[in-house]
Amino acid sequence: GIQVEQSPPDLILQEGANSTLRCNFSDSVNNLQWFHQNPWGQLINLFYIPSGTKQNGRLSATTVATERYSLLYISSSQTTDSGVYFCAVPRRYLNTGNQFYFGTGTSLTVIP
Amino acid sequence: DTEVTQTPKHLVMGMTNKKSLKCEQHMGHRAMYWYKQKAKKPPELMFVYSYEKLSINESVPSRFSPECPNSSLLNLHLHALQPEDSALYLCASSQESGTRIAKNIQYFGAGTRLSVL
Repeated sequence: GIQVEQSPPDLILQEGANSTLRCNFSDSVNNLQWFHQNPWGQLINLFYIPSGTKQNGRLSATTVATERYSLLYISSSQTTDSGVYFCAVPRRYLNTGNQFYFGTGTSLTVIP
Repeated sequence: DTEVTQTPKHLVMGMTNKKSLKCEQHMGHRAMYWYKQKAKKPPELMFVYSYEKLSINESVPSRFSPECPNSSLLNLHLHALQPEDSALYLCASSQESGTRIAKNIQYFGAGTRLSVL
């Protein structure tokens, strides 16, 4: 099946710093989502980005499908950005379309 | 409104108990999902319902029994669980679960933290 690797696995930042999280996938995909899981377990949908670049406030994401990676940029990080960031790509099931397969995750800690 | 509501938030049960987890959405989504997440691991897909019919069962043990009574509601019935089943159980929904990728965007509930003693 498709392999989805994220890097770095762990990241500690000082508040106000910028960071780049990477998601590599082993096969071509036509869909990709980025999620943030807060310390209480809630998964928040950040971006649906099968290709190109999107921005939402201090966050932006870029997917280069032909090179099989996606990047999530966090600028001017805040303590509320702490948590685990997952990318998820579709895995095709016969006759039932695509279901999401989550990457390994990046655990981010932002310290004041 | 992009809310998926899960109850209860926490559940402690013994290995002989029977309990149920509940998930509700009112976004008109026709696909609903159960995921299991162990600590420091990504969510793993358990079941998918599409138009109230079970479309995917990821070889989940029969002690987990899903039910979709209507398009807004998804239950997970638990019976004779093992301590290794302790985990965060997440529910999600999307417009559809088919090949129209823009309809696959998933929205998650806050989860139920389950402890099996």
